[in-house]
Amino acid sequence: IAGITQAPTSQILAAGRRMTLRCTQDMRHNAMYWYRQDLGLGLRLIHYSNTAGTTGKGEVPDGYSVSRANTDDFPLTLASAVPSQTSVYFCASSEPGGPYNEQFFGPGTRLTVL
Amino acid sequence: AQSVTQLGSHVSVSEGALVLLRCNYSSSVPPYLFWYVQYPNQGLQLLLKYTSAATLVKGINGFEAEFKKSETSFHLTKPSAHMSDAAEYFCAVSKGTYKYIFGTGTRLKVLA
Repeated sequence: IAGITQAPTSQILAAGRRMTLRCTQDMRHNAMYWYRQDLGLGLRLIHYSNTAGTTGKGEVPDGYSVSRANTDDFPLTLASAVPSQTSVYFCASSEPGGPYNEQFFGPGTRLTVL
Repeated sequence: AQSVTQLGSHVSVSEGALVLLRCNYSSSVPPYLFWYVQYPNQGLQLLLKYTSAATLVKGINGFEAEFKKSETSFHLTKPSAHMSDAAEYFCAVSKGTYKYIFGTGTRLKVLA
């Protein structure tokens, strides 16, 4: 059972370049999320999707976009990367239907924007 | 607005000693509270969660947490620390499946 996979594991990117972080889950969860983790700030929600075809903005959505064409995949795109987007990015999934549902996390993508 | 505060960004304990990681929450409604653990270079995994069924919640790896409404706290404890407990721990509150609010994390160091 793979759970959630993320690619790439790490990436160094020049400022201004476009980048897509990939996330795939095999648990058939309807809800998926993207977080960024920064030292001293914990995890902050970027975007989420409650089901295929719908997405929503989280706490820090500026500079990022997402799509949800199917249940399994939830890519995160940085249209024009900036150094402040240097972070570790985590994809997560859960079953909706209650605020007590556990979120399952991928291993993360470490992104450095120079 | 809901939020969580974790007191102490770094905690060191000796192997075999009590582990106490502090989390206080603010919520205008009964909260759903979680503790997650993150081992180096890994994603987060659930340790335990409070869903109002019982105030003392037992989780994996010998951890437990007690919900105290009067103190708005949900501190994480383990009677005897093990070297393998070294990790970063996050407290989180939820009022909806897409509205987790995470604390800033506490890094636990276990000394031999």
